[in-house]
Amino acid sequence: QQPVQSPQAVILREGEDAVINCSSSKALYSVHWYRQKHGEAPVFLMILLKGGEQKGHEKISASFNEKKQQSSLYLTASQLSYSGTYFCGTAANNAGNMLTFGGGTRLMVKP
Amino acid sequence: NAGVMQNPRHLVRRRGQEARLRCSPMKGHSHVYWYRQLPEEGLKFMVYLQKENIIDESGMPKERFSAEFPKEGPSILRIQQVVRGDSAAYFCASSPIEDSPLHFGNGTRLTVT
Repeated sequence: QQPVQSPQAVILREGEDAVINCSSSKALYSVHWYRQKHGEAPVFLMILLKGGEQKGHEKISASFNEKKQQSSLYLTASQLSYSGTYFCGTAANNAGNMLTFGGGTRLMVKP
Repeated sequence: NAGVMQNPRHLVRRRGQEARLRCSPMKGHSHVYWYRQLPEEGLKFMVYLQKENIIDESGMPKERFSAEFPKEGPSILRIQQVVRGDSAAYFCASSPIEDSPLHFGNGTRLTVT
């Protein structure tokens, strides 16, 4: 069963913050976050592993709550380049990158 | 260092024809994954391969679909007797080891007419 992402879509003004959530009904080993622009390949943002801590990448960070089987992606001081669709992908074990992706969250950043 | 290369970028097939999609992983990557994406939807896992081995094909339809990753040459996803429902973007991704980031190719957009 695929993880549920929320919100489905969000519109921001440049400089505003956003949080994207990913929730699974299964116990998770890892959560992966990718961003995809229209007509392009998904691009890796970060991986969070079971037992791992919150990770950050410039103004994008994420957390992983193993007990709740949830992950959140935090975008701070958004830039126009952040626009795209964000996908979380989950793995129930450490047997490779056979990820189950959520339905995506469409983010649009306006000037 | 070239990224994951997929070809063709666009493929049009009539119902009943065969489609062959190719993927060359990044240099040094021995793990290859195929994902399918329908318009406005997320990616669906199809198959996971290492050189000459299919590790997991649980996401691939049992009929008409097959995949290989030979010792030499690219990975091939083959769809026989295509139907309209096969129309989608097919993405290949590679990684050097398990639990490392996936590097995606630009995809092959298959249209079945």
